[in-house]
Amino acid sequence: KAGVTQTPRYLIKTRGQQVTLSCSPISGHRSVSWYQQTPGQGLQFLFEYFSETQRNKGNFPGRFSGRQFSNSRSEMNVSTLELGDSALYLCASSFQRGGYNEQFFGPGTRLTVL
Amino acid sequence: DQQVKQNSPSLSVQEGRISILNCDYTNSMFDYFLWYKKYPAEGPTFLISISSIKDKNEDGRFTVFLNKSAKHLSLHIVPSQPGDSAVYFCAAKGRGGSYIPTFGRGTSLIVHP
Repeated sequence: KAGVTQTPRYLIKTRGQQVTLSCSPISGHRSVSWYQQTPGQGLQFLFEYFSETQRNKGNFPGRFSGRQFSNSRSEMNVSTLELGDSALYLCASSFQRGGYNEQFFGPGTRLTVL
Repeated sequence: DQQVKQNSPSLSVQEGRISILNCDYTNSMFDYFLWYKKYPAEGPTFLISISSIKDKNEDGRFTVFLNKSAKHLSLHIVPSQPGDSAVYFCAAKGRGGSYIPTFGRGTSLIVHP
């Protein structure tokens, strides 16, 4: 069974630009969550999607948005990029949402904002 | 305000010895705790978990201990191997947070041959 895939793996953007990151969950998984990891920080929760609906949202500004498609693939978008948005963005999928379901993480997209 | 704290950013251990990684939490609504391991250029992988109804869970060389009264958990790796060198994240979740895991900042473990 293929794992969670994220594209692209690396991205360099400049301030003010926007970026779209993609995540393909494990086949059959319907829940997709996004996290931001910055140096010295833990994983900060961005949002969770299940059945094409955003179910939970973390404490991030409205510049961060996402969506999920009918095949459970998900994208996240960051508009008006700031230097502080430089981070590793991780996607995780699980079969169901919430509870004690195990999450499986992708390798992440490393975003650098210059 | 960090609800999950890993106060040691790094830990260095000799191969064959015990590694003990610590984690403290503040939210009494957390009832499920997990440890993840992360290698560079890879996403975190699930290692072991424990429910609040238990105080110990073992899986091979890995054991997690939970002290609810102290709001403290620890991960023991015995014996430590060089391949265990990675960043370890502690995470906690519960009803109060809609079961979204809250992660600590991680502890970088280096196991020397």
